[in-house]
Amino acid sequence: QQPVQSPQAVILREGEDAVINCSSSKALYSVHWYRQKHGEAPVFLMILLKGGEQKGHEKISASFNEKKQQSSLYLTASQLSYSGTYFCGTEIGQGAQKLVFGQGTRLTINP
Amino acid sequence: ETGVTQSPTHLIKTRGQQVTLRCSSQSGHNTVSWYQQALGQGPQFIFQYYREEKNGRGNFPPRFSGLQFPNYSSELNVNALELDDSALYLCASSLDAGGYNEQFFGPGTRLTVL
Repeated sequence: QQPVQSPQAVILREGEDAVINCSSSKALYSVHWYRQKHGEAPVFLMILLKGGEQKGHEKISASFNEKKQQSSLYLTASQLSYSGTYFCGTEIGQGAQKLVFGQGTRLTINP
Repeated sequence: ETGVTQSPTHLIKTRGQQVTLRCSSQSGHNTVSWYQQALGQGPQFIFQYYREEKNGRGNFPPRFSGLQFPNYSSELNVNALELDDSALYLCASSLDAGGYNEQFFGPGTRLTVL
């Protein structure tokens, strides 16, 4: 039931783009994206709802393919501050009240 | 506006003991969710409280229990501690219980069971 994230880790130079994918074997109601820096709490980035509604960060975009039960997070012109571990959390039904997080994707941005 | 706070920051217990972790939700938030995060893993959902009522539970044994107070702060209690309970325990508060609400995480409590 845990969503699968890919890649597990990626190393970029500042200014490069990255895509992080999140796939589920179950039909999804919503996908939530969070970033966690080492030793810190996860921080909200984006929510995507079934039906196309989105809520989130201005400089980060994401897509949600309901048929394929997949979501992708797009980080363009990456900055050093983007480094951290990215988690997708999936909700399998409205009112399910349960976010199931993937194992995370570690993103390292080098100058 | 005060963010989500958790106490204590770190805790060391021995196997078989009991522990209580505390979480103060962000002002105006009526929903608190608890997560367990093992090293190198994503957070795992333990349970959620909405307006003092339990509103969903993950795959954790009954020795993991909790409650939410009228001011919407919350406690997580773990009885009969096991070595595998060693982890970072995160609480997150949200404005409401629906899926369109971002969760604001606290800094966590690092529990070590010896």
